[in-house]
Amino acid sequence: DSGVTQTPKHLITATGQRVTLRCSPRSGDLSVYWYQQSLDQGLQFLIQYYNGEERAKGNILERFSAQQFPDLHSELNLSSLELGDSALYFCASSVAGAGGPYNEQFFGPGTRLTVL
Amino acid sequence: AQKVTQAQTEISVVEKEDVTLDCVYETRDTTYYLFWYKQPPSGELVFLIRRNSFDEQNEISGRYSWNFQKSTSSFNFTITASQVVDSAVYFCALRPNTGNQFYFGTGTSLTVIP
Repeated sequence: DSGVTQTPKHLITATGQRVTLRCSPRSGDLSVYWYQQSLDQGLQFLIQYYNGEERAKGNILERFSAQQFPDLHSELNLSSLELGDSALYFCASSVAGAGGPYNEQFFGPGTRLTVL
Repeated sequence: AQKVTQAQTEISVVEKEDVTLDCVYETRDTTYYLFWYKQPPSGELVFLIRRNSFDEQNEISGRYSWNFQKSTSSFNFTITASQVVDSAVYFCALRPNTGNQFYFGTGTSLTVIP
């Protein structure tokens, strides 16, 4: 158990809909990262938040957005869903915001999103 | 550019055989960190090891060992005396020191046959 929690575990929805994925980082971690694991794109970094502020952006679509709240939990919002958005979405957390040799990212169990 | 290549898509071995998973990386950063993660069938990503670019010492942890060679930009992972519980997808990842983004390889699916 990494200490990172994600809800829900599974989500099934229809095209065009909007969903929210939630992540609670490990106690003491200030950074939250979101990744998408799909069959065709592999494991891709989407976005990072550090202590409530966006720190880094990867291959995140404009239809997707995220935020980190004062209690450090984070939400990933996916809108106008398409079939290709079906994937496993991981959240990870780390102590620091960037760099450094000991800034491991610990991953949550993931949310499996299926868009029908 | 930052890139991780895991050329082996799938590997099958019989239990108790040794197996090596290959990882080749590309980066222009002088300081970087390399990782291996395990993804069992249940789906979670389990951290296995981190290696700093300035530390080329190989590491052994039980049946697991890692061979980091900067000269060939490789960070290979060997499982000795494989067990059925080792069946999983294994990801190699690169994190440059200048940022915190991980660059993952496409993963190697390992099946250990009893």
